[in-house]
Amino acid sequence: GEDVEQSLFLSVREGDSSVINCTYTDSSSTYLYWYKQEPGAGLQLLTYIFSNMDMKQDQRLTVLLNKKDKHLSLRIADTQTGDSAIYFCAETSNRDDKIIFGKGTRLHILP
Amino acid sequence: NAGVMQNPRHLVRRRGQEARLRCSPMKGHSHVYWYRQLPEEGLKFMVYLQKENIIDESGMPKERFSAEFPKEGPSILRIQQVVRGDSAAYFCASSQQEGQYFGPGTRLTVL
Repeated sequence: GEDVEQSLFLSVREGDSSVINCTYTDSSSTYLYWYKQEPGAGLQLLTYIFSNMDMKQDQRLTVLLNKKDKHLSLRIADTQTGDSAIYFCAETSNRDDKIIFGKGTRLHILP
Repeated sequence: NAGVMQNPRHLVRRRGQEARLRCSPMKGHSHVYWYRQLPEEGLKFMVYLQKENIIDESGMPKERFSAEFPKEGPSILRIQQVVRGDSAAYFCASSQQEGQYFGPGTRLTVL
């Protein structure tokens, strides 16, 4: 079945760039997403990319997609303390609408 | 345009009681999805409903769990005879054409 994998923890110093990586198995993925979850809060859609794109930039966020390797990354430039959260990689396919999530990467910001 | 509303935000039940979780989709959205987030795990799809119809319930346990989305009113996720393992955050998402918008979640604690 479909699977989405991502590392569980990442520590980054304030002001540096954060890069969160994700791999997925579904070759028919159409949309790939990054969601942010702050403590005790719901999910906030940060950005998404169509599977026929290889890069998308939105202010401090850059998403890179390597479709051949089924690898997705999220780069956060100039990481701030407010970026501390869990980041979920997710995908949908054209077979159905359900979203398959990874387990989330907990981003910790060091002073 | 209010976002997806879920209530209650926090729900405490004793083992054996019933839990009812409500989700009001965004205005104009007729598709509702329920996801469950277990402690230290990612989000797992449970059920996908359109008005008065269950489209996909492949992620929902066969026993004790049911969901509905009536013609009028919110979608309801009902858990009968709750057990400690049901303790989780339950998220609802709604969509119309593309993109799922998530509610803030209901945190269920079973004592």
